[in-house]
Amino acid sequence: DAKTTQPPSMDCAEGRAANLPCNHSTISGNEYVYWYRQIHSQGPQYIIHGLKNNETNEMASLIITEDRKSSTLILPHATLRDTAVYYCIVRLAISSGGYNKLIFGAGTRLAVHP
Amino acid sequence: EAGVVQSPRYKIIEKKQPVAFWCNPISGHNTLYWYRQNLGQGPELLIRYENEEAVDDSQLPKDRFSAERLKGVDSTLKIQPAELGDSAVYLCASSLESERNDEQYFGPGTRLTVT
Repeated sequence: DAKTTQPPSMDCAEGRAANLPCNHSTISGNEYVYWYRQIHSQGPQYIIHGLKNNETNEMASLIITEDRKSSTLILPHATLRDTAVYYCIVRLAISSGGYNKLIFGAGTRLAVHP
Repeated sequence: EAGVVQSPRYKIIEKKQPVAFWCNPISGHNTLYWYRQNLGQGPELLIRYENEEAVDDSQLPKDRFSAERLKGVDSTLKIQPAELGDSAVYLCASSLESERNDEQYFGPGTRLTVT
């Protein structure tokens, strides 16, 4: 599985968009980009994933560059409850012989302040 | 729908003592995972079950750690004897193993302190 690089920490004002970057320059064509987050004293929580198209759900948007070497997770209107560690993970698709193994890095610690 | 249930939430033991953690996954989830999370780091996979079978235990320290998943539902992770370096949060997760839905659902974890 490809390695990812994330900034160790970021700040965001409440109500503003939080844009969390992730570099995955060695990603291969059949690897997905996954995002999970972990709020203090809780287990990680799935946010979103994508292959090459931009994705949006009720929690966030995922923007993947055309060359797929980097991506950005966007929380459009950050709230205090979005303060958490955000993990970007690259994983081989199950249909390509991979399985659901998540390799977590250190992630980005996002602090949303009033 | 109930989430992944873990118990206990906290455990403090002296080194060389045994300890066990219990996990009840989401109903219908065939795959179960145990992770260990050290302070300031991301979770690290210890073992993964598909139904009753441990299909990936390459990261499990087998000299002192053991796990079982009886009847393909609940699972127990045991450490015997515990060492100071085993202090960490032990997380259980479960998932359906399908291309369309492979989200892992995590429990709240058990925080182990070995003194």
